Amino acid sequence: GAGVSQTPSNKVTEKGKYVELRCDPISGHTALYWYRQSLGQGPEFLIYFQGTGAADDSGLPNDRFFAVRPEGSVSTLKIQRTERGDSAVYLCASSRAGGGQNEQFFGPGTRLTVL
Amino acid sequence: RKEVEQDPGPFNVPEGATVAFNCTYSNSASQSFFWYRQDCRKEPKLLMSVYSSGNEDGRFTAQLNRASQYISLLIRDSKLSDSATYLCVALSGAGSYQLTFGKGTKLSVIP
Repeated sequence: GAGVSQTPSNKVTEKGKYVELRCDPISGHTALYWYRQSLGQGPEFLIYFQGTGAADDSGLPNDRFFAVRPEGSVSTLKIQRTERGDSAVYLCASSRAGGGQNEQFFGPGTRLTVL
Repeated sequence: RKEVEQDPGPFNVPEGATVAFNCTYSNSASQSFFWYRQDCRKEPKLLMSVYSSGNEDGRFTAQLNRASQYISLLIRDSKLSDSATYLCVALSGAGSYQLTFGKGTKLSVIP
């Protein structure tokens, strides 16, 4: 079946611009996660959705970052006034339900470059 | 100190060798642990879960020592296709949904 998909695969933007990154989870998965992976590092947790609501946004680095999941399926990560330090691969994952041993399946990521 | 620490490598080993990766975690409240594999410029994929009793999946053996807060992964009879970065992961967060990753250990299996 189809896995997690993310668009765009690559995004190059200029410092100060606004970007939106999209995630399509596996059909039927109620839990959705965003992670960010910088070069040479492991992925770092940003935000977790259970259904339409953000159950935990403690990993968002600052208020320039915001994510939504209005219908409980597709999610969009929004970054305002981008900075060069935001350059990273943004990974989305989904799981059948939240918590416990529910395996998180990752999408291929969006590689964001801020010039 | 990072929550999950592992030797970044690289580990360069010949085909057929046995290689072991180690990892330590600092959050004693972490309940579950995993090894993920990540190929270059690809997403992480679950390799195996790690249980206190130790678990084996073919050539791969994982072990958890809660007293020492230590996790290991052993790969026997290394194949060229095992070349990848291996990420040690702890499941934490209030509802145990947040994956905390180490930096990863890079393995290159050489012909």
